[in-house]
Amino acid sequence: GAGVSQSPSNKVTEKGKDVELRCDPISGHTALYWYRQSLGQGLEFLIYFQGNSAPDKSGLPSDRFSAERTGGSVSTLTIQRTQQEDSAVYLCASSSGDSPLHFGNGTRLTVT
Amino acid sequence: GQQVMQIPQYQHVQEGEDFTTYCNSSTTLSNIQWYKQRPGGHPVFLIQLVKSGEVKKQKRLTFQFGEAKKNSSLHITATQTTDVGTYFCAGERGGSYIPTFGRGTSLIVHP
Repeated sequence: GAGVSQSPSNKVTEKGKDVELRCDPISGHTALYWYRQSLGQGLEFLIYFQGNSAPDKSGLPSDRFSAERTGGSVSTLTIQRTQQEDSAVYLCASSSGDSPLHFGNGTRLTVT
Repeated sequence: GQQVMQIPQYQHVQEGEDFTTYCNSSTTLSNIQWYKQRPGGHPVFLIQLVKSGEVKKQKRLTFQFGEAKKNSSLHITATQTTDVGTYFCAGERGGSYIPTFGRGTSLIVHP
């Protein structure tokens, strides 16, 4: 596709439920990032995938958060037993080599 | 861990006035990137600075990277309403490909 695609664009879930957020990066981009942006805040790094290397999970806030990237392309971010503080916009970005980050439109997650 | 501080958090200007946002890192950076996020949108890449003391211009925007490669600034001359948005700096340390973002500066331009 022409850009990074994220789905769903909006997700409302009840506290305690699991959610899956999907990211389809730009074709050929080897690096994929997940960031989280709370209202009025900056971008908080969550996880980084580069090619076939082990992902850098150093930004994941708790063991309820996990992510995988299948076939070096599509990535899924899973949040188990969601809490209200998980409410935020989850942004995915991809890049190639030294190129800058190309962001998707994000998934707005609301935990009620 | 690495921290990137950005000030001010908000800036109100009258259309035609100048605007500057400042970014400071606790560690030396290999490069710094600037992004713009329009209200309701996602961050969009503006520019990357790599060299110590580098200055780059894009029309009314001037970007600087400090001599010590720890700070950076973005200056907009004669703001327009189309400049409204949040400007983020993002720094990378040597050996890392994970940009650490500042909290951003939200620019509000009053016509």
